[in-house]
Amino acid sequence: NAGVTQTPKFQVLKTGQSMTLQCAQDMNHEYMSWYRQDPGMGLRLIHYSVGAGITDQGEVPNGYNVSRSTTEDFPLRLLSAAPSQTSVYFCASSSDPGRQNIQYFGAGTRLSVL
Amino acid sequence: AQSVAQPEDQVNVAEGNPLTVKCTYSVSGNPYLFWYVQYPNRGLQFLLKYITGDNLVKGSYGFEAEFNKSQTSFHLKKPSALVSDSALYFCAGLSGGSYIPTFGRGTSLIVHP
Repeated sequence: NAGVTQTPKFQVLKTGQSMTLQCAQDMNHEYMSWYRQDPGMGLRLIHYSVGAGITDQGEVPNGYNVSRSTTEDFPLRLLSAAPSQTSVYFCASSSDPGRQNIQYFGAGTRLSVL
Repeated sequence: AQSVAQPEDQVNVAEGNPLTVKCTYSVSGNPYLFWYVQYPNRGLQFLLKYITGDNLVKGSYGFEAEFNKSQTSFHLKKPSALVSDSALYFCAGLSGGSYIPTFGRGTSLIVHP
């Protein structure tokens, strides 16, 4: 099993550019989520999905869009990158969000916005 | 509402000594509590969880955590620290029925040789 795969691992953008961070999981998990990790801030939830076709906002959704057309994929789109979006982004998936809720994380995407 | 606090940004311990990484929680109803570890340039990995039952939970790599309802704490412990335990540790919690765990800000554990 590959688990949760994130691409790219590193990305540098200019202010105003758009891009999509890819996330795919091969564990047939219904629940997927995106977090950003900043020094001293821990993990903050951006968006999450409880199944294909269902998404919702987390703590810091502004400037990001998501869609969930399949169970496997949960891409995160930056509409117009800003320096404040420089961060490390993690995708996670879980099979049973209500009780067991063990989350499996990807290796992360390190994004710099100049 | 739910919240998780890790009061220490950094914990330093000598190799071979016991270690404790602290976590307190505020979760409505019965809490579900977790510890994750993050090694440099990696994603978070699950260590252990408390759902119900015994207050002492054993997990991976010799770690354990003690659930204390009266103190609303879930501290991570290990009897003898290894240099390889040096990493960032996150506590997470959620209430029953919630889909969204709340993570603490993380504690950097540094084990000195």
